[in-house]
Amino acid sequence: DAGVIQSPRHEVTEMGQEVTLRCKPISGHNSLFWYRQTMMRGLELLIYFNNNVPIDDSGMPEDRFSAKMPNASFSTLKIQPSEPRDSAVYFCASTWDSQGNQPQHFGDGTRLSIL
Amino acid sequence: GENVEQHPSTLSVQEGDSAVIKCTYSDSASNYFPWYKQELGKRPQLIIDIRSNVGEKKDQRIAVTLNKTAKHFSLHITETQPEDSAVYFCAASRDTGFQKLVFGTGTRLLVSP
Repeated sequence: DAGVIQSPRHEVTEMGQEVTLRCKPISGHNSLFWYRQTMMRGLELLIYFNNNVPIDDSGMPEDRFSAKMPNASFSTLKIQPSEPRDSAVYFCASTWDSQGNQPQHFGDGTRLSIL
Repeated sequence: GENVEQHPSTLSVQEGDSAVIKCTYSDSASNYFPWYKQELGKRPQLIIDIRSNVGEKKDQRIAVTLNKTAKHFSLHITETQPEDSAVYFCAASRDTGFQKLVFGTGTRLLVSP
């Protein structure tokens, strides 16, 4: 059974460029989460979706960040324009959010470096 | 909103010793508490979780305890092994509505042979 799949695994680009990170959640999961991890700030929730609808985007740092979930099997996180301070590991996670809490399953992450 | 504090930030033990990591939370409505292990360069992986209807849960060498009155929960690892070396994160969320985990800042555990 495939887990959460993220692409690319690594991305190096120059500041000002557009960056698109991709995530395929586990089949059957209806909640999807985007996290950012840095040494300074730890693991931060950026945005999460339930049934493809954005529920809480209060963690999105600024307007340069946007996320979409056009269907149950695909989500993107876009940064435009990118800045060096956006360098981090970005994780996607998914879960089946029923009446009770269920474990979140993380992808392998995208290591993003903005030069 | 919820705030989760985690201590210590680093923990060094000898192989075979026990390790304890503690977390406190602020939202009394939180009642789901997972623990994640993250090895260097890898993704966080769930190792154990506890819900507020129980005070303790065990899985082999790992146990979690919960004190809802004091709003703290702890991870206990017994008979530590070098492969337990990793960063451990606690988290908390409410059991109602949409799940939104709030993570602690992590504990780097180093188990020396």
